[in-house]
Amino acid sequence: QVQLVESGGGVVQPGGSLRLSCAASGFTFSSYGMHWVRQAPGKGLEWVTYIRYDGSNKYNADSVRGRFTISRDISKNTLYLQMNSLRAEDTAVYYCAKDSGGGTCSFDYWGQGTLVTVSS
Amino acid sequence: QTVVTQEPSFSVSPGGTVTLTCGLSSGSVSTTYYPSWYQQTPGQAPRTLIYNTNTRSSGVPDRFSGSILGNKAALTITGAQADDESDYYCVLYMGSGIWVFGGGTKLTVL
Repeated sequence: QVQLVESGGGVVQPGGSLRLSCAASGFTFSSYGMHWVRQAPGKGLEWVTYIRYDGSNKYNADSVRGRFTISRDISKNTLYLQMNSLRAEDTAVYYCAKDSGGGTCSFDYWGQGTLVTVSS
Repeated sequence: QTVVTQEPSFSVSPGGTVTLTCGLSSGSVSTTYYPSWYQQTPGQAPRTLIYNTNTRSSGVPDRFSGSILGNKAALTITGAQADDESDYYCVLYMGSGIWVFGGGTKLTVL
């Protein structure tokens, strides 16, 4: 069965950096695009970033462009999110999600999330 | 900036039918936006219900259905049950590698 397990969350000061990981199993990781989606406390879901199955293209929401970078390591079946210049408004639970593939442009499996708190 | 709109809240009686919608602040939603729907209960990760407008995700009961109604995407729940009480989110693919979520609908079953 598909499993996505996020890690790397924690408390960081404004302006700091953090790297999140998402360990994937139960599917051919190299064949699917992957996303990060976040949810601020008490708020709705916000799409953050996407990487194609082969890593050839990456896309970001305006709110994180220039600060966050998505990447993947096929050999480790792991997705990453490098977050720099963190702001208080980046405080959220971060979910990794598998793209459903086949050109359907949606998410089919989700991890349980990891909490990032940006605070001094 | 394009905003994806959803009803903030909705209520349905047990056994009843409810239709939640997903629209655009400017323009109409069509299948080319690949609308999808997600259910989330407090403290839990989202669960995929519907993708590509009307395809049910694996294990989702057939009382959940997706469609285009007029100029919006729609999620219809027939025979509502108590455990359908959740937040429901739609997301639209805007093209050029950009997805936008709606603000979510809090569904109450009472």
